[in-house]
Amino acid sequence: SQQGEEDPQALSIQEGENATMNCSYKTSINNLQWYRQNSGRGLVHLILIRSNEREKHSGRLRVTLDTSKKSSSLLITASRAADTASYFCAAQGGSEKLVFGKGTKLTVNP
Amino acid sequence: DVKVTQSSRYLVKRTGEKVFLECVQDMDHENMFWYRQDPGLGLRLIYFSYDVKMKEKGDIPEGYSVSREKKERFSLILESASTNQTSMYLCASSRRGAGQETQYFGPGTRLLVL
Repeated sequence: SQQGEEDPQALSIQEGENATMNCSYKTSINNLQWYRQNSGRGLVHLILIRSNEREKHSGRLRVTLDTSKKSSSLLITASRAADTASYFCAAQGGSEKLVFGKGTKLTVNP
Repeated sequence: DVKVTQSSRYLVKRTGEKVFLECVQDMDHENMFWYRQDPGLGLRLIYFSYDVKMKEKGDIPEGYSVSREKKERFSLILESASTNQTSMYLCASSRRGAGQETQYFGPGTRLLVL
């Protein structure tokens, strides 16, 4: 039961540009999280936004949440080659479980 | 820092073998999770545990079982490995309760079943 769906599936940009990834989910949530995965490695938590929040910042990351549209976006500003990775959204409803999307593969070209 | 370790990075097994994947976390987390990750399908939850000896099925538990005898250790067992269980397996842990929802992941085990 995949709940989060990211868009686009793949994104290729030049260093210094901004990268925007979108996520849609299906049911009500307590929070929505974004994770990053470098090739062949485990996931690393980036940022969490709660259902009563609309926007959150962490360094070069900006996350928005629109519960009326059941969608979230992750913006990475001034991207670097080191940002090359896959990014996943994960929705948490009323349990301890997260439901992950299929991910956006970001490539930042030097 | 939270550390989640998995027993193997790469594993090659034969069809029909019994396979054990081990996961250990060092932060006294109540919750532990096993996922598998396949291209185009994202992460899918196999099983999770919210306490010692407690387990709940995830979305794709068929062909798998789990064991949690100690709080820090969560094992995934493939009773009779099949080729369609070739995948990347990821373990994660988290604290229980509101405000503690972040999951911490291990590096993953890439399993090939021949």
